[in-house]
Amino acid sequence: GAGVSQSPRYKVAKRGQDVALRCDPISGHVSLFWYQQALGQGPEFLTYFQNEAQLDKSGLPSDRFFAERPEGSVSTLKIQRTQQEDSAVYLCASSLELHEQFFGPGTRLTVL
Amino acid sequence: GNSVTQMEGPVTLSEEAFLTINCTYTATGYPSLFWYVQYPGEGLQLLLKATKADDKGSNKGFEATYRKETTSFHLEKGSVQVSDSAVYFCALSEKGTGANSKLTFGKGITLSVRP
Repeated sequence: GAGVSQSPRYKVAKRGQDVALRCDPISGHVSLFWYQQALGQGPEFLTYFQNEAQLDKSGLPSDRFFAERPEGSVSTLKIQRTQQEDSAVYLCASSLELHEQFFGPGTRLTVL
Repeated sequence: GNSVTQMEGPVTLSEEAFLTINCTYTATGYPSLFWYVQYPGEGLQLLLKATKADDKGSNKGFEATYRKETTSFHLEKGSVQVSDSAVYFCALSEKGTGANSKLTFGKGITLSVRP
């Protein structure tokens, strides 16, 4: 069985560009999380979905960040008008009820 | 809010040395506690967990005990191997296994084990 996959693995954007990061969770996993990991720091929570419902978006740093999971499976994190401070690794994790979160390899975003 | 504090790194040890990585937390209620590990070039993996006070999590020779009185969850291993070289993150969730509750992570600490 495949794990959590994320694409692209690396993304370079010019300041002001929009980017879209994709997460394919483990099949059947109900919960999906996005985290942001700055260099030398631990991951920080961004948002959480249960199926297609976004139950918690308290960690999104600004209204430039938007996440969706329209069919309760694949999720996309979109960042509009990227800024240099958005440079980080974006991690996706999925989980099944009563079980741990499984993490993907992350997307490393560099904003020039 | 919740927070996790890890000791400053990096840590460099010789093979077969004893390892302790300190972790303390601040949380409301009764959180669950975790250690995640990130090996070079790989994603975060759960190493061990404890969901209530005095529980001991263990895996791959690593152990950590949930100490509510000292709000700590220190990671220990009696004899480290070169293959243990990785970044270690302490984390908490407000409830359960973390399945439907966000994780709060510490900054992580890099462990290097030399032969």
